[in-house]
Amino acid sequence: QKEVEQNSGPLSVPEGAIASLNCTYSDRVSQSFFWYRQYSGKSPELIMFIYSNGDKEDGRFTAQLNKASQYVSLLIRDSQPSDSATYLCAVTLSGANSKLTFGKGITLSVRP
Amino acid sequence: DGGITQSPKYLFRKEGQNVTLSCEQNLNHDAMYWYRQDPGQGLRLIYYSQIVNDFQKGDIAEGYSVSREKKESFPLTVTSAQKNPTAFYLCASSIWVDAEKLFFGSGTQLSVL
Repeated sequence: QKEVEQNSGPLSVPEGAIASLNCTYSDRVSQSFFWYRQYSGKSPELIMFIYSNGDKEDGRFTAQLNKASQYVSLLIRDSQPSDSATYLCAVTLSGANSKLTFGKGITLSVRP
Repeated sequence: DGGITQSPKYLFRKEGQNVTLSCEQNLNHDAMYWYRQDPGQGLRLIYYSQIVNDFQKGDIAEGYSVSREKKESFPLTVTSAQKNPTAFYLCASSIWVDAEKLFFGSGTQLSVL
């Protein structure tokens, strides 16, 4: 079965530190990779997407994709308490009419 | 403001009862989706629709039904056949079905009385 796996959490980092969130996927032919942030009781919001190997930076966020090793990660620099949320990794797997497959998410807590 | 509106925010279901969750969008998106989220779990796809009067089962369609009579509306009915309906339900839309950037509604928390 095609799967998306995220590290079991929760992850706790001090304010100002770098938070590193990892995600692996089983389908080698996956094309597109997304990170959603979800605050408790709220809906997910898209914060990063990446299609090509390498790094993609947007402000304090960097997405890293390594298709050979089948992982995608999200780095959050200068972590803030407002970054405390659940982060969902989502991958578009191969196959006709394939839809986004989500990981279970990892909860990040940034300590003031 | 364009967006997706889900109602109600909280819903309670009695044993043997069907309940309907509303989802309306004014983004002019062709594709709409319903996801279920259980505590500590990711999102699982229930149904999706590419166009009016057409919809497809997702990974966990059993016990649910949908309709798409208007482009703007994609209601989800949780039937009595769904034995474990307590979850957070999220409606989403995208420009077309293979467009991967999803826009989500605010969700409906369904609980069983």
